[in-house]
Amino acid sequence: DTEVTQTPKHLVMGMTNKKSLKCEQHMGHRAMYWYKQKAKKPPELMFVYSYEKLSINESVPSRFSPECPNSSLLNLHLHALQPEDSALYLCASSHTDRPLTEAFFGQGTRLTVV
Amino acid sequence: GDSVTQMEGPVTLSEEAFLTINCTYTATGYPSLFWYVQYPGEGLQLLLKATKADDKGSNKGFEATYRKETTSFHLEKGSVQVSDSAVYFCALNFGNEKLTFGTGTRLTIIP
Repeated sequence: DTEVTQTPKHLVMGMTNKKSLKCEQHMGHRAMYWYKQKAKKPPELMFVYSYEKLSINESVPSRFSPECPNSSLLNLHLHALQPEDSALYLCASSHTDRPLTEAFFGQGTRLTVV
Repeated sequence: GDSVTQMEGPVTLSEEAFLTINCTYTATGYPSLFWYVQYPGEGLQLLLKATKADDKGSNKGFEATYRKETTSFHLEKGSVQVSDSAVYFCALNFGNEKLTFGTGTRLTIIP
């Protein structure tokens, strides 16, 4: 199983809503990532979890709140988002190699904030 | 800081044409280098990688060689197909979990 599974695939939410994005992998990877990708741009790193602990936060606004309940799951909790937060949110996972040997990406959640 | 520069797109080629997408990097030291592909509406898939100088990564007819002298990792394919139409990202990694991506090159293959 070399898949990273993200749910939902599409999400439309209002600016006052609270929602969560979910990501799951069963490859035994101990590093998991959230990326944000705007149209026609490369992915931008948001957060990295290593061994279920937050190791990198790329100065992401607090309206995005990550959570890693166990080594297979990664969530991104969303609250009070702005329309400019509309984007494709990608989850990825990898072994905790130095340097990185490969990151596997999910298909993403396409988020629209209205 | 570390950075990746890719050739500007979009690139449009006819089927069976030869493809080159240029990628150069700026980094202190020797990063691992990757090419990722993103098909329309999907996430990223690793296409190929190289972890040290002179390594050649290859997959699905695509190749790229890690050239330390020219700090380059150009992507090539001898005969492209319509199904190769996608966005291609060059990326590097430097001993941590952070991937640094280039801006991406949109490739369209016409029959």
